[in-house]
Amino acid sequence: NAGVTQTPKFRVLKTGQSMTLLCAQDMNHEYMYWYRQDPGMGLRLIHYSVGEGTTAKGEVPDGYNVSRLKKQNFLLGLESAAPSQTSVYFCASRPRQGARNTGELFFGEGSRLTVL
Amino acid sequence: EDKVVQSPLSLVVHEGDTVTLNCSYEVTNFRSLLWYKQEKKAPTFLFMLTSSGIEKKSGRLSSILDKKELFSILNITATQTGDSAVYLCAVEPNNYGQNFVFGPGTRLSVLP
Repeated sequence: NAGVTQTPKFRVLKTGQSMTLLCAQDMNHEYMYWYRQDPGMGLRLIHYSVGEGTTAKGEVPDGYNVSRLKKQNFLLGLESAAPSQTSVYFCASRPRQGARNTGELFFGEGSRLTVL
Repeated sequence: EDKVVQSPLSLVVHEGDTVTLNCSYEVTNFRSLLWYKQEKKAPTFLFMLTSSGIEKKSGRLSSILDKKELFSILNITATQTGDSAVYLCAVEPNNYGQNFVFGPGTRLSVLP
């Protein structure tokens, strides 16, 4: 049971380079999220998706783009990486509201990105 | 602006102690509050609270929500070294599925 899988787990970039983080979930969840976690600041929402083909901005969207072409995948892109984007990135998914689930977020194991 | 505050930010105790972690919030249209435990990697779910005054329990952990005073507490009794982690509080302020606002976390260290 894979749950939420993020790739890559580690990446080092130079300023100005681009990259894409992939999040895949096998639980048929409707909702998917990208967070970044920085020391002392908790998790901050970058973008989220309430269903296939839809995306929306979160608290800190600048410098990032996302796509949800397939229900199981949520991609986070950095077009021109900056040192301020050095962080640990977490993807999460959540099932549709219903009586059979707790409504919790299911997290991936994180992707550590360093921008030099 | 929606905000979640946790206290203390850091706590060191000895095995067997009881600890209380605090989470207060200011959000619009409160829907739910979640507690997570984060060790080295992904946060793992502990509790979801939606109703005031109803305690959720799981073994040595328990949590309660006060919607009038806008806070929640997480209690851990008879702490063990395996309880060492960052404990995150998150509040869902709007419609289901749209957003969670996380607090900065409380780092708990349990010494043998």
